[in-house]
Amino acid sequence: EDQVTQSPEALRLQEGESSSLNCSYTVSGLRGLFWYRQDPGKGPEFLFTLYSAGEEKEKERLKATLTKKESFLHITAPKPEDSATYLCAVQARNSGGSNYKLTFGKGTLLTVNP
Amino acid sequence: DAGVIQSPRHEVTEMGQEVTLRCKPISGHNSLFWYRQTMMRGLELLIYFNNNVPIDDSGMPEDRFSAKMPNASFSTLKIQPSEPRDSAVYFCASSLRWSAEAFFGQGTRLTVV
Repeated sequence: EDQVTQSPEALRLQEGESSSLNCSYTVSGLRGLFWYRQDPGKGPEFLFTLYSAGEEKEKERLKATLTKKESFLHITAPKPEDSATYLCAVQARNSGGSNYKLTFGKGTLLTVNP
Repeated sequence: DAGVIQSPRHEVTEMGQEVTLRCKPISGHNSLFWYRQTMMRGLELLIYFNNNVPIDDSGMPEDRFSAKMPNASFSTLKIQPSEPRDSAVYFCASSLRWSAEAFFGQGTRLTVV
């Protein structure tokens, strides 16, 4: 069974204090790893897809990286508007045909104080 | 595009009543997903449609839950009869194809009292 574990559950940073969120996964064969941002009362908003170990993607203050066992979301010089829950999800290569399925972690609640 | 549109945003109903949640996916997307989000279990896939056809409903918790997609621009998730443990936020998401990133609606917060 595919599993995704995110840590920490919650992270509180001061504005400008860089840090990283972790997403550890267990999957039979990874097709893709997805990062989403979710604001209170809203649906998850797509950020990145990573497909292979060593791949990196950046968007503004966020950079996502991928290894064979985990992904990191690095936040550089965060601002209060970066406060949100960040969700990680994996999509597996599955010969049984359910390779469309996203398995989500519980998320990391990030709070950035001014 | 306005994105994925869900209605209603909030629903409060009494136990035993029928509840219908609605979703309009992004135009041109051929994959549609219904998810449920709770504090305990996070986001869980309930059902997946491809080209309006239900492909996988193994996540539907019980026979009380049913979903339809009569055309490419509309889907419903129905709970009959509803129970307090069905209280959660229900999301609809769509994607260009099964392998692409999914775009989520704003969700429907369901409270069953």
